[in-house]
Amino acid sequence: QKEVEQDPGPLSVPEGAIVSLNCTYSNSAFQYFMWYRQYSRKGPELLMYTYSSGNKEDGRFTAQVDKSSKYISLFIRDSQPSDSATYLCAMSAPGNQFYFGTGTSLTVIP
Amino acid sequence: DSGVTQTPKHLITATGQRVTLRCSPRSGDLSVYWYQQSLDQGLQFLIQYYNGEERAKGNILERFSAQQFPDLHSELNLSSLELGDSALYFCASSPDSYEQYFGPGTRLTVT
Repeated sequence: QKEVEQDPGPLSVPEGAIVSLNCTYSNSAFQYFMWYRQYSRKGPELLMYTYSSGNKEDGRFTAQVDKSSKYISLFIRDSQPSDSATYLCAMSAPGNQFYFGTGTSLTVIP
Repeated sequence: DSGVTQTPKHLITATGQRVTLRCSPRSGDLSVYWYQQSLDQGLQFLIQYYNGEERAKGNILERFSAQQFPDLHSELNLSSLELGDSALYFCASSPDSYEQYFGPGTRLTVT
């Protein structure tokens, strides 16, 4: 079983839609939870990171962590064509070990 | 632009060869991380250095090694290359452990 599971998609939505991206994990020792956006052939770009269970909002993006269910989500409101990218969830364990999901490919159609 | 630079952008080499990938972190960042990204495995953490010292090790093969120099740039050495080592190699730098800034990557093709 992989440490982090992420549905690869692809996900295709119309402009303005709310997008929900999700990851599950198996290691209860994970402490920090991150979301990255990666455009084709570019390096991942950090969108948000959270420590505790609950919600964290930044503009159109909301990150949600449920440690009891080992489930994290990223919501994108009012999605734009420029949001079209691959979204990677990532988690860190004690000892600075980092684990990434395989990414969900998102296309926002104008 | 994240402020992290990586050279070269592309590298094509033959099986059995050795290559060195270079990374310069953002100004002021002491941590450097190396990752391998392939289509089937996703982004895999290889190794972390902090201010010249190895801090954490992930799924790094024994054929691979890294170091961080006093000026904080880092090099990833890949030897006895195999076809399966073809991938994108990213480095990231960080002011702390969780906020990582990725470079543009080096695309390695082993033929």
